[in-house]
This record gives sequence, structure tokens and C-alpha cells, in this order.
Amino acid sequence: AQSVTQLGSHVSVSEGALVLLRCNYSSSVPPYLFWYVQYPNQGLQLLLKYTTGATLVKGINGFEAEFKKSETSFHLTKPSAHMSDAAEYFCAVSLASGANSKLTFGKGITLSVRP
Amino acid sequence: DSGVTQTPKHLITATGQRVTLRCSPRSGDLSVYWYQQSLDQGLQFLIQYYNGEERAKGNILERFSAQQFPDLHSELNLSSLELGDSALYFCASSAGPAPTFGSGTRLTVV
Repeated sequence: AQSVTQLGSHVSVSEGALVLLRCNYSSSVPPYLFWYVQYPNQGLQLLLKYTTGATLVKGINGFEAEFKKSETSFHLTKPSAHMSDAAEYFCAVSLASGANSKLTFGKGITLSVRP
Repeated sequence: DSGVTQTPKHLITATGQRVTLRCSPRSGDLSVYWYQQSLDQGLQFLIQYYNGEERAKGNILERFSAQQFPDLHSELNLSSLELGDSALYFCASSAGPAPTFGSGTRLTVV
């Protein structure tokens, strides 16, 4: 079975500072990895995904993540935080491809951005 | 708008009652997933349907059931409701590896 660990429940950064949200996964086979964002009272929106190929993936809103197999990690970064980035962020893993993408989520990290 | 439509957005009901949550997937998506989000359990996968057939089952209680209809919309039925069933229920659909989520149905059991 696969699992996702997101250490810590809350990260606070200043506007303009680097954002780093950590995600480690456990999987017996090569995984597909995802980051989703959830704004208050909304659904989950896909930020980026890694399936195959380039290990550094770029997503929406300036976010990117790097798949590191040796470290079983898929950390999310953004060079400069914006107030609008305040939200909850979820890392997820799946083992399937195509239309059978059952996701296993981490517990989520709340990102706060200080003016 | 993600293209995945969930109704109703909010539902308040009493313990012991039965409710039905509805989901219309994005046009062309054959897979529908149901997830439950609660403070205690986080985001939990409940069940997946693909083109009308059950494809995968997760942490879904026996009191809960789902189906996907020929027009691909799906319904999640929750019965004998308990206070602990209060949660946000998401539907997602996909044609590829990254499901698209609806805005959810917030269920409150009183």
C-alpha cells in the first residue's frame, strides 16, 4: 500500500519569501505524485503532477516540485510567496495510470503568508 | 468552475436519516471517485466507478453505497447517519492520472 507523509500541519512565511512544503511518500512501485491546493470553502485544485519523464515539474501559480526517488520525496516550492498563496496544500500518490487514479492523500499543510 | 458538479452544496439532516449526494463528472470522463474530508480522518478515498462499474473500494462504511448511471453521473447514498458522518464529501472525475474535483457537499448531521 502507498502512503504520504507531510510533516507539520502549518507553515508560515513572509510575503516574498521562499515557500517549501515537504512531502515524502511510500510506494512499492513507481508512483505518480500530485500536489493539490484547497482554498477556504472550495474544492481541490491540481497544482502539478509527476507521472514519468522530467523529475522537476512546474505547475500553476509559480509552484514547482522535484521528484527524488532516492529520497522518496516530492517537495513543493515557490521562490516568492504571495498573499494569495495562503491555503491548504495536499500531497497525494497513486499507483495507477489512465482512468484508475485512486489517490492517497497526506494530511495536508496549511500555508499562511505574513504581509 | 472545474466542470465537476456536485449537488447539493450543503445538507443538514438528523441522525438516523438517509441522504443522497449527486455528482456530474466532466464531459468525457468515465471515472468517478468519491472522497470524504473530515478534521479527524483527513481526505479518505471511498469508492471509484468506471463507466458504470465499481472499480475500487476504500474506507467506505457498509451504511454507504454508490452507483454510476448510464449517463455517467454518480450518486453516493448515506444511510443511518451518525454525528460522525458530518464531513465534506467530494466527487472527482478523470480521464487521465489527475482527477478533477468538484466543490463538494458539506454534510452536517445533527
